[in-house]
Amino acid sequence: EPEVTQTPSHQVTQMGQEVILRCVPISNHLYFYWYRQILGQKVEFLVSFYNNEISEKSEIFDDQFSVERPDGSNFTLKIRSTKLEDSAMYFCATRTGSDPNAFFGQGTRLTVV
Amino acid sequence: DAKTTQPPSMDCAEGRAANLPCNHSTISGNEYVYWYRQIHSQGPQYIIHGLKNNETNEMASLIITEDRKSSTLILPHATLRDTAVYYCIVRPSSGNTGKLIFGQGTTLQVKP
Repeated sequence: EPEVTQTPSHQVTQMGQEVILRCVPISNHLYFYWYRQILGQKVEFLVSFYNNEISEKSEIFDDQFSVERPDGSNFTLKIRSTKLEDSAMYFCATRTGSDPNAFFGQGTRLTVV
Repeated sequence: DAKTTQPPSMDCAEGRAANLPCNHSTISGNEYVYWYRQIHSQGPQYIIHGLKNNETNEMASLIITEDRKSSTLILPHATLRDTAVYYCIVRPSSGNTGKLIFGQGTTLQVKP
């Protein structure tokens, strides 16, 4: 069964450093999303991406965050200057144009120290 | 986005049916009911969705009341591997980006 792949599975970074989280979507999927989940809290929507541009973003997704598809396959989330409160699980999700069901990756656990 | 209300936790005996309720009294006519689950901090997993008719797939059944203000997810023969947080989400069928708004969900504990 096709799956969404995220790398790395766990990343530890120093406060103020830049991090890039990577996602390989399922091959025929057109819509891409990032979510995060702070430990013990609910899953929160960050951003949706379609046709090489952001289609919607939440209040959490401020200027420190950016997304792109640098090579037409990978889908990345960049955090420019990490803060302690950015520590969370980050999930990538993708879907086709016709199927509304989103497939989630296994997540990247980001720890900012 | 319409809100949903779910009990915070439920227990179920292994092999028995698990019935997870969800209230969505402010649901609009074009909004679907979706169910996802999350097993121990893994990525959420799609289970089933429906508009107004009852739905069944290999994982579960979804029963939606006639007025569509509530629904029940049924796992017919729960196993220990079904222990997870179950999320009931309502979302428009079109005109949005497809984002999912998760609540706190119901933590289902399947016990031997």
